[in-house]
Amino acid sequence: EIVLTQSPATLSLSPGERATLSCRASQSVRGYLLWYQQKPGQAPRLLIYDTSNRATGIPARFSGSGSGTDFALTISSLEPEDFAVYYCQQRSSWPITFGGGTKVEIK
Amino acid sequence: EVQLVESGGGLVQPGGSLRLSCAASGFTFNNYPMDWVRQAPGKGPEWVSYIDNVGGNIHYADSVEGRFTISRDTAKNSLYLQMNSLTIEDTAVYYCARDMGSTSWHAFDVWGQGTVVTVSS
Repeated sequence: EIVLTQSPATLSLSPGERATLSCRASQSVRGYLLWYQQKPGQAPRLLIYDTSNRATGIPARFSGSGSGTDFALTISSLEPEDFAVYYCQQRSSWPITFGGGTKVEIK
Repeated sequence: EVQLVESGGGLVQPGGSLRLSCAASGFTFNNYPMDWVRQAPGKGPEWVSYIDNVGGNIHYADSVEGRFTISRDTAKNSLYLQMNSLTIEDTAVYYCARDMGSTSWHAFDVWGQGTVVTVSS
């Protein structure tokens, strides 16, 4: 099973600042790394699939990068609605696994 | 509007059974694989099960293999999860999710609102 480790656990930032979230895999996931956003009481929402492809309707301030075992989600300038928990997921091999999450909170 | 609506959750005793349903609308259901994903309180999501668009290819997480059964009914545009021999560790919000299929297998682009399963004596 591929283990995904996200860091930091919590990121405290102000609106307008840049956020960089990390996801490290226990073995290569090739480019099959995805990112989701989840707000309290809601289902996760797909942001990025296959490292860097934005899902339908996702603003351009969200971008993904990386390869192999190290990936990043960058939010170029935080909007108030971006404060949430972010999860990475790999689809490279069974079982599909998710990371433990990074909470982006208002500083 | 593309929509998934889960039902069937509730409180059940350890060792009991539940059947979850997910009603799909707003898209061609039989064109998409589907998955169940769960999330325990305060935890990240955990993938549970996958079924392809015709029901011929199925996968389960090790934690539910042999206890849970995924199925789908194209005529009813519905996805199901039969859960037997439930344990406390199965307590979670259960989501059905649309799999992007050939665009990006096992990327979940549409989610339901979730149904709560609580296993407790």
